[in-house]
Amino acid sequence: NAGVTQTPKFQVLKTGQSMTLQCAQDMNHNSMYWYRQDPGMGLRLIYYSASEGTTDKGEVPNGYNVSRLNKREFSLRLESAAPSQTSVYFCASSELAGGLAKNIQYFGAGTRLSVL
Amino acid sequence: RKEVEQDPGPFNVPEGATVAFNCTYSNSASQSFFWYRQDCRKEPKLLMSVYSSGNEDGRFTAQLNRASQYISLLIRDSKLSDSATYLCVRVGDSGYSTLTFGKGTMLLVSP
Repeated sequence: NAGVTQTPKFQVLKTGQSMTLQCAQDMNHNSMYWYRQDPGMGLRLIYYSASEGTTDKGEVPNGYNVSRLNKREFSLRLESAAPSQTSVYFCASSELAGGLAKNIQYFGAGTRLSVL
Repeated sequence: RKEVEQDPGPFNVPEGATVAFNCTYSNSASQSFFWYRQDCRKEPKLLMSVYSSGNEDGRFTAQLNRASQYISLLIRDSKLSDSATYLCVRVGDSGYSTLTFGKGTMLLVSP
């Protein structure tokens, strides 16, 4: 009954360090998403993968890279972290196969990242 | 005009009250919406879908008004556990749909 699992839950980085946020889903969903959430800004889409083997930029992709490793896993990489990337990061997945219900996105518990 | 706009609140209501939030959207072609709920420092979770004919789930009722381009969420008999931020979400129109989230409306229910 895991749903969407994100690791790590918390991370502190120094400016310029790199790290990868991991996300895995066990619902056999086709699509996966990475968002960031900042106070007063709401959820903003960073990258998404509509299906295995494809990735697309969202609203705020600069400074990030993604990899859809397989159908279950979608990772987000910060190559050179900056203080502006301090945020809460959420991974989500959806079935996305037509029909309103298929667009429902299920979220992981989030990663709280601080860049000093 | 932002794609999805919400009053950030907070809406402070006593237990048992009825409260309503609206969410306006700019794309007149928008067909489908969700309401998500987000508790403090937690992930968003689906509350309900918004159908063109409206949708009711227990104490919660969602309506879509296409003429005025807004959706609404009505909560009857508010409970303390309803305290949360409610996110209005627009479903994209393309084949590979993405969701556009509003910034949310905070509800605080007091004893």
